[in-house]
Amino acid sequence: EAGVAQSPRYKIIEKRQSVAFWCNPISGHATLYWYQQILGQGPKLLIQFQNNGVVDDSQLPKDRFSAERLKGVDSTLKIQPAKLEDSAVYLCASGKRDYNSPLHFGNGTRLTVT
Amino acid sequence: AQSVTQLDSHVSVSEGTPVLLRCNYSSSYSPSLFWYVQHPNKGLQLLLKYTSAATLVKGINGFEAEFKKSETSFHLTKPSAHMSDAAEYFCVVSLNYGGATNKLIFGTGTLLAVQP
Repeated sequence: EAGVAQSPRYKIIEKRQSVAFWCNPISGHATLYWYQQILGQGPKLLIQFQNNGVVDDSQLPKDRFSAERLKGVDSTLKIQPAKLEDSAVYLCASGKRDYNSPLHFGNGTRLTVT
Repeated sequence: AQSVTQLDSHVSVSEGTPVLLRCNYSSSYSPSLFWYVQHPNKGLQLLLKYTSAATLVKGINGFEAEFKKSETSFHLTKPSAHMSDAAEYFCVVSLNYGGATNKLIFGTGTLLAVQP
């Protein structure tokens, strides 16, 4: 099966600019996740979707981050405006509706904010 | 509340020697536990998972982990390290939203170095 696709692979922007990331999950996976992984740390969940509804966005900085999952398939994550501390790898993952099932991760988007 | 603690941030072994990466978990009920591996500039790949079946779980690339409820541990082992095993390893616990979906809580990671 095709894996989780993410784009772009790398992005460099200046602080206060905007940026958007795209994710195409594995076909048929109901759940979709965005994680932020700062260098040297484990991934931190930003937002979780089930189909096109939000399950958990408690750790999403909503003043600058937004995410949507139109039609319960693809998803975009946006940062506006970006701060230096947003420099990280943004990982998208998808999974089945079963808490015993593992998640499948994309290769991530590495964001550098200067 | 669920959490995981990876006891070592860095582990260095020689090629051909055993690998032990330690993980302790905290969970109010029987957890699902996973080990993921992340090679440089790559996404996370599932190594193995424990979901309340056999306590000794075998994964890919010769890795295995043993679930010990009495010690709340889920340590990852491999009998003989290979150079290609050099990567970062994450222990993960799954938080169950009433069976409908899940949320993964990641440990802070253990960076494994393999010396020739």
